[in-house]
Amino acid sequence: DTAVSQTPKYLVTQMGNDKSIKCEQNLGHDTMYWYKQDSKKFLKIMFSYNNKELIINETVPNRFSPKSPDKAHLNLHINSLELGDSAVYFCASSQGPRDPQPQHFGDGTRLSIL
Amino acid sequence: EDQVTQSPEALRLQEGESSSLNCSYTVSGLRGLFWYRQDPGKGPEFLFTLYSAGEEKEKERLKATLTKKESFLHITAPKPEDSATYLCAVQNDYKLSFGAGTTVTVRA
Repeated sequence: DTAVSQTPKYLVTQMGNDKSIKCEQNLGHDTMYWYKQDSKKFLKIMFSYNNKELIINETVPNRFSPKSPDKAHLNLHINSLELGDSAVYFCASSQGPRDPQPQHFGDGTRLSIL
Repeated sequence: EDQVTQSPEALRLQEGESSSLNCSYTVSGLRGLFWYRQDPGKGPEFLFTLYSAGEEKEKERLKATLTKKESFLHITAPKPEDSATYLCAVQNDYKLSFGAGTTVTVRA
């Protein structure tokens, strides 16, 4: 059973298009995250939701919009895709937002902008 | 802003050749330091959490230690299956800040 699953695994699209990435966790966790891993392998937090409430919103272009329909799901919609958006996007979840609990990651969505 | 620096960037080891990875950090109010392992094409996999200076954790051939300014991940007698990128991260309040990782290659 996959604990944190993301779809799609690969996404190849043209500049200017709009795309969505979906994430689901079956761990019963309250908190979910979106990270971006660039070509230099740095993982940077983008957003975090706790029980469907946005708690972290880093300096990310407003073309990126997260949505959490329930605490087991966190989706990421990206408008007007740009070349610089090419990266691997990881979803993660943890039991809570503040206590130092380990985060569990999905296997990533590889986004390539042509 | 929190900073995490890992060294070396890459490490090539012979099977059985023990070594250490370094993670130095600056953070206001450390709540926890995490080590993860990442295999190619996969997400990071949790290894350890360290909470305070002097703490040590072990798992198979890996041992993590923590001081007030840095953490070490010691790999004892590594095997080829220990080849991966090892990521260090610090938590300050709500946010995890990651280092760029050390890519370890263990040759048989």
